[in-house]
Amino acid sequence: RKEVEQDPGPFNVPEGATVAFNCTYSNSASQSFFWYRQDCRKEPKLLMSVYSSGNEDGRFTAQLNRASQYISLLIRDSKLSDSATYLCAVNLETGFQKLVFGTGTRLLVSP
Amino acid sequence: EPEVTQTPSHQVTQMGQEVILRCVPISNHLYFYWYRQILGQKVEFLVSFYNNEISEKSEIFDDQFSVERPDGSNFTLKIRSTKLEDSAMYFCAVRREREAKTQYFGPGTRLLVL
Repeated sequence: RKEVEQDPGPFNVPEGATVAFNCTYSNSASQSFFWYRQDCRKEPKLLMSVYSSGNEDGRFTAQLNRASQYISLLIRDSKLSDSATYLCAVNLETGFQKLVFGTGTRLLVSP
Repeated sequence: EPEVTQTPSHQVTQMGQEVILRCVPISNHLYFYWYRQILGQKVEFLVSFYNNEISEKSEIFDDQFSVERPDGSNFTLKIRSTKLEDSAMYFCAVRREREAKTQYFGPGTRLLVL
């Protein structure tokens, strides 16, 4: 089983739609979780950390389900500028906290 | 305001040549990382560096790779004898302190080995 798995997509949605991505992780000892956004041929940019209680930042909501070992990202009122690849990243609390990434989910928002 | 910059942005080299990729942190960072991303694939961890020594490395980080922070500022990744399969984007990432879990990525160096 892969350490971090994501549906590669693409998810094609119209502007204004709500879209959700899931990411599963295999290591139950994982402690920190992140969503990064990556535009074509650019660096990953932190979108949000994912906390146990769930957290929201504007149109973006992240949830963590430790029992089922997955995290989710919900994007409401999609904008054209949301088109990108969304990377799930996980690390263990021990060690120097290397990030383990999923392959990413590609989102295309159309007019 | 970026946390870190990288040079060069692009590098083309011949197979067997040595390349040095540089990472320049903007703020005071304690933890440094190199990741790579082969075109169309996921971002993969290479190595982490703390207190002037390697703290963790992946299977990818074999003897042809080395890292150092010679002047206390720039953090470099050296590939001694490049192979075709080393062609990828190389990202430096930084983290400020032990308690902060977030890593910030530099813009990357696109390496093409011919």
